[in-house]
Amino acid sequence: QITLRESGPTLVNPTQTLTLTCTFSGFSLTTSGVGVGWIRQPPGKALEWLAFIYWDDDHRYSPSLNSRLTVTKDTSKNQVFLTLTNMDPVDTATYYCAHRGRYCSGGDCAPYMDVWGKGTTVTVSS
Amino acid sequence: QSALTQPASVSGSPGQSITMSCAGTANDVGGYNLVSWFQQHPGKAPKLIFFGVSYRPSGVSSRFSGSKSGNTASLTISGLQAEDEADYYCSSYTNIGTLVFGTGTEVTVL
Repeated sequence: QITLRESGPTLVNPTQTLTLTCTFSGFSLTTSGVGVGWIRQPPGKALEWLAFIYWDDDHRYSPSLNSRLTVTKDTSKNQVFLTLTNMDPVDTATYYCAHRGRYCSGGDCAPYMDVWGKGTTVTVSS
Repeated sequence: QSALTQPASVSGSPGQSITMSCAGTANDVGGYNLVSWFQQHPGKAPKLIFFGVSYRPSGVSSRFSGSKSGNTASLTISGLQAEDEADYYCSSYTNIGTLVFGTGTEVTVL
């Protein structure tokens, strides 16, 4: 059974750096095709994808946040870390991490995010 | 990259079928069969209900079906039930390996 849990500060001051931890179980980030995604959702607004980190250390970042985002992993501890610098009140949101797998059939592979954490709410305010 | 365009709201009566769209570009929805759909109830994490345009995860009701034509993907819910009332989001991988979500559709069961 795959589970993920986000943790980190609930309140951050403007200009500070946010670091969130995603602790997972039920899969390994050393398995080919596996990744972890980060997604956020401001109050009352739509989902926004932030980043992926993959089993092979490849990563992808949202172009709009690329200069502020870093995602790393510690496979020995089954943890993934998201760092977002220069926090602003517009970054107030619920932050989710999710398991990214893929289904392959006939040579074609389709990725998916099938299991999500419950999310952690981060408020940016002085 | 711009968010995929979804209608803000769709409604239907119990038992009816509804369809919601997800419009993108040739660089995302139109270029790849990598569209996913998520259902989100208030205060809950999103739940995957479709991926790869038409793959339904185990445990997801067969009343949900997905399709794609050109740069637009669609999700149909048949036999609408009260429990289907939720927000629905599409997502697609892009030509540079990033992901983009849709603007979200609120489904109301009348």
